[in-house]
Amino acid sequence: EAQVTQNPRYLITVTGKKLTVTCSQNMNHEYMSWYRQDPGLGLRQIYYSMNVEVTDKGDVPEGYKVSRKEKRNFPLILESPSPNQTSLYFCASSLYGTQYFGPGTRLLVL
Amino acid sequence: AQKITQTQPGMFVQEKEAVTLDCTYDTSDPSYGLFWYKQPSSGEMIFLIYQGSYDQQNATEGRYSLNFQKARKSANLVISASQLGDSAMYFCAMRVTSGTYKYIFGTGTRLKVLA
Repeated sequence: EAQVTQNPRYLITVTGKKLTVTCSQNMNHEYMSWYRQDPGLGLRQIYYSMNVEVTDKGDVPEGYKVSRKEKRNFPLILESPSPNQTSLYFCASSLYGTQYFGPGTRLLVL
Repeated sequence: AQKITQTQPGMFVQEKEAVTLDCTYDTSDPSYGLFWYKQPSSGEMIFLIYQGSYDQQNATEGRYSLNFQKARKSANLVISASQLGDSAMYFCAMRVTSGTYKYIFGTGTRLKVLA
């Protein structure tokens, strides 16, 4: 089954404790992206990747890192999480434009 | 600056009636794509319909159609014969295809279908 998977689905952590949210797709898509969704703000793009080893900033990259060492994986790294990074995070992948989203990761930073 | 605007935070529609969700966009790029996604209460993002900036005809997918008015920079979603399962959050999005390949989303419209 073609899909985008994210782990974990739910995460509670404390300020400053590094965390990684994994994202994997099995559709051989070149484009992958991370978004955060906050009430009243819609989805905002954090980082995206056009292909392996090619990443670029979206509109809200501060406090996040990404890497694209393999085509299928695109992890999101929060080196020192802060409470304002509490949000719902989505990973997405696409081949020709239409994005397919993962199920989302709900993060709470205390 | 590139922007997507959805001016209707919430809407109601009677079951079996048609409803239009508004979306306006702003870009100076001649090449772009416009998308609509549905987010039910379960949280997943579901792709509904796509319109390219050079497409001559309005896109349709089953009960969904996109009313694309390029001069007005609008890309409204029309849902015909609304069903209770259409109750959800709807997001309009734009992808600029030259240069950055960013995606920009609107703030969404919450649709409630009444029985």
